[in-house]
Amino acid sequence: ILNVEQSPQSLHVQEGDSTNFTCSFPSSNFYALHWYRWETAKSPEALFVMTLNGDEKKKGRISATLNTKEGYSYLYIKGSQPEDSATYLCASITGNQFYFGTGTSLTVIP
Amino acid sequence: GAGVSQTPSNKVTEKGKYVELRCDPISGHTALYWYRQSLGQGPEFLIYFQGTGAADDSGLPNDRFFAVRPEGSVSTLKIQRTERGDSAVYLCASSLQVTHPQYFGPGTRLTVL
Repeated sequence: ILNVEQSPQSLHVQEGDSTNFTCSFPSSNFYALHWYRWETAKSPEALFVMTLNGDEKKKGRISATLNTKEGYSYLYIKGSQPEDSATYLCASITGNQFYFGTGTSLTVIP
Repeated sequence: GAGVSQTPSNKVTEKGKYVELRCDPISGHTALYWYRQSLGQGPEFLIYFQGTGAADDSGLPNDRFFAVRPEGSVSTLKIQRTERGDSAVYLCASSLQVTHPQYFGPGTRLTVL
């Protein structure tokens, strides 16, 4: 079983602060990395799918980078807003298998 | 429908019983995935279908678990002789292809008494 780790486990920031968190994954046989946002009582919502080393993706105030050689991805949120409060999950795809991390729980305090 | 749907939304059963959980993917999505989520954990991969065939079922915990997708659309996850440890939220997701983002259903919460 692949070990996909996310850090920190939880994070509290003030509204307007920028923040970032990490997804670490085994770099061998890498195929793709997905980021999802999961709000309480809702289904996970796809943010990014990244496949190439050096990939950078952006969606509004949220962006992500990927380093497949060293096995990590960063998710950045610029100017956090209360509506950004959610759990952010990453999933590493190796072959046909999908391994999710346990997520980073973000709380943005107004 | 517009999104992935799962039925039932909640299922309570007794230990030893058989249950079926259904997933209706987004129309046209060839890839379908089943996950299990226990409290405080991220989704745990169970099985992945490409079309009608199970491309990878190595995540199924044991032979009490089985899933089918006979026509390449709706999928059913079947659990025989349920145990209390099977209690979890079972999530289904679909995507156009494996490299595309997955769209998740609302999940089925299974409780085994």
